[in-house]
Amino acid sequence: DTEVTQTPKHLVMGMTNKKSLKCEQHMGHRAMYWYKQKAKKPPELMFVYSYEKLSINESVPSRFSPECPNSSLLNLHLHALQPEDSALYLCASSLERGGHNEQFFGPGTRLTVL
Amino acid sequence: KQEVTQIPAALSVPEGENLVLNCSFTDSAIYNLQWFRQDPGKGLTSLLLIQSSQREQTSGRLNASLDKSSGRSTLYIAASQPGDSATYLCAGGGSNYKLTFGKGTLLTVNP
Repeated sequence: DTEVTQTPKHLVMGMTNKKSLKCEQHMGHRAMYWYKQKAKKPPELMFVYSYEKLSINESVPSRFSPECPNSSLLNLHLHALQPEDSALYLCASSLERGGHNEQFFGPGTRLTVL
Repeated sequence: KQEVTQIPAALSVPEGENLVLNCSFTDSAIYNLQWFRQDPGKGLTSLLLIQSSQREQTSGRLNASLDKSSGRSTLYIAASQPGDSATYLCAGGGSNYKLTFGKGTLLTVNP
């Protein structure tokens, strides 16, 4: 299995809702990432997990809360989002954390905040 | 701080043409250079990875080169097809955890 899966594909939520994005990989990778991508822009790194521990938070607002329950799963919990948070949210994984490792991306979740 | 630039921002070619996409980076101390393809509204598909010790990588009709001394990478696509139409992103992997992305080249291959 050489893919990263993400659910749901699309999500529409109001500013008072609580929702979660899910990411899964079964490649034995120990580093997992969340990226945010706005239209016609490159992905922007949000969080990095290494061996199930949060190692990097790129100054992301607390309304985004990541969780790594085990080495194969990565969640992103969303609460009280703003319309400007609407974007494509991408999950990625690599064998280890570090710039020399190839990153594999999932198909993304298209999030719309009303 | 690493900066990655991609030229051109957009490219339109007739089917069958060979083409080159360019990527330049400011910090030669990169660990690797990855080329990705992204279709509209979709995730990133990894095309080729060149480690810093390598000069080029090939996969089918794709060939990517890396010249660390000049801070450049190129993606060569042979015999382009309409199905190659997508945005192509290059990204440099540094000594930290980050991939630094260019803004991409939007490729359109016309039948």
